[in-house]
Formats: sequence, structure tokens, C-alpha cells
Amino acid sequence: EVQLVESGGGLVQPGRSLKLSCVASGFTFNNYWMTWIRQAPGKGLEWVASITNTGGSTYYPDSVKGRFTISRDNAKSTLYLQMNSLRSEDTATYYCTRGVGDYFDYWGQGVMVTVSS
Amino acid sequence: EIVLTQSPTTIAASPGEKVTITCRASSSVSYMYWYQQKSGASPKLWIYDTSKLASGVPNRFSGSGSGTSYSLTINTMETEDAATYYCQQWSSTPLTFGSGTKLEIK
Repeated sequence: EVQLVESGGGLVQPGRSLKLSCVASGFTFNNYWMTWIRQAPGKGLEWVASITNTGGSTYYPDSVKGRFTISRDNAKSTLYLQMNSLRSEDTATYYCTRGVGDYFDYWGQGVMVTVSS
Repeated sequence: EIVLTQSPTTIAASPGEKVTITCRASSSVSYMYWYQQKSGASPKLWIYDTSKLASGVPNRFSGSGSGTSYSLTINTMETEDAATYYCQQWSSTPLTFGSGTKLEIK
């Protein structure tokens, strides 16, 4: 059974940093691209970052480029999201997802990040 | 950036009714993907490659479309179908989602 379990969320002040983790199980982690997608409270879905199966390439939208870094440790089947210079608009539930081609077939339960003073 | 516009934003349907949700892209995309999200839960893949049902999705659901116009249809609405549905594309980076259609039971 595929499982994606996120952790590392919480309350953080604007301008500070936070690192999310996602432990994957039930599939061969290093065969899949992985992606973080977020959802602000009461809002829709927003792409945050993607990484190839080897970790050799990463992709970001302009809204987080230069502030967020996606990475992975294939030996630990773990995906990460380092978030720096956090802003109030980064407040959201962050989902770890498994990519298949251009879509996402498995989603974690999500982890809440609140950026507030 | 390709903008996906979903309509309607909210719809209420009676059990047994046919429901269609539309997703229009600002530029042509190759495929459309759909996700179902129930309140308090993570999104689930619902339809992929425009018209293929994800595992476990009832066959009363169907997807269709091409170019800039895509749709998700429920042939006969059931109470368990009440949820928010999102379309998504990655024919062009950045990948984008529609703003969602909330489907309620009447």
C-alpha cells in the first residue's frame, strides 16, 4: 500500500524557515518524480515544487522560486521541502504527492504550515 | 501560464441527476486531469489522461474534451459524489489547477 506521511509543519514567524519531510512507503521511491502541492485555508490547490526521480532536476513556480528548495534522499525514501523567508501567504496545508507523467496519483494527508507573528 | 477556468463554481444536484463540470484552458493542453476532494480530506486522483477513470472511481463518472475545453460528467448523481472537483494541466509549466467546482446534494 502506497503511503506518504508528511511532518514538520507548525507555526512560524514571517521571515523564518521551516523544513517539511515526507516519508514514502509501499513503492519504489527512486522510480518516481515527487511534488509538493499546497492549499491555503478555504482555497484551491497550488503547485509548490517538483523533483525528478534522481533528484537531478527541480522545478518551482515564481511564487516560491529562490525561497523554497525541494530535495530527496532516495536511500531513506524521503522527500523534503526547505522553506525560507516565509510569508503570511505561504500559510497552507502542504501535500506530498507522487507524480506519474503529468499528474499525481497518491497524496499524503497533508501538513499545516501557519506563518504568523 | 495556462489559466484553467472551471464552471460552475458551485452546483447543487439531486440524486439521479446528470451533472457536468467544465474546465476551460486559456491555451490548448494535451490532457486534463481531475481530482476529487471531500471536506477535511486530501485530494484524490479521479480522472487522468482526460478520460481514464482512476482506480476505484465509479463508472457513472466520465471525462472528455480536447484543446481548450474539457469536462467531467456524472451520469447519475449519488450522495457520495458531493465534493469539490479540481482540474489540472501540465502541458505547460507552471502546472496549474482550476479554482474548483463544489458539488452539493440538493
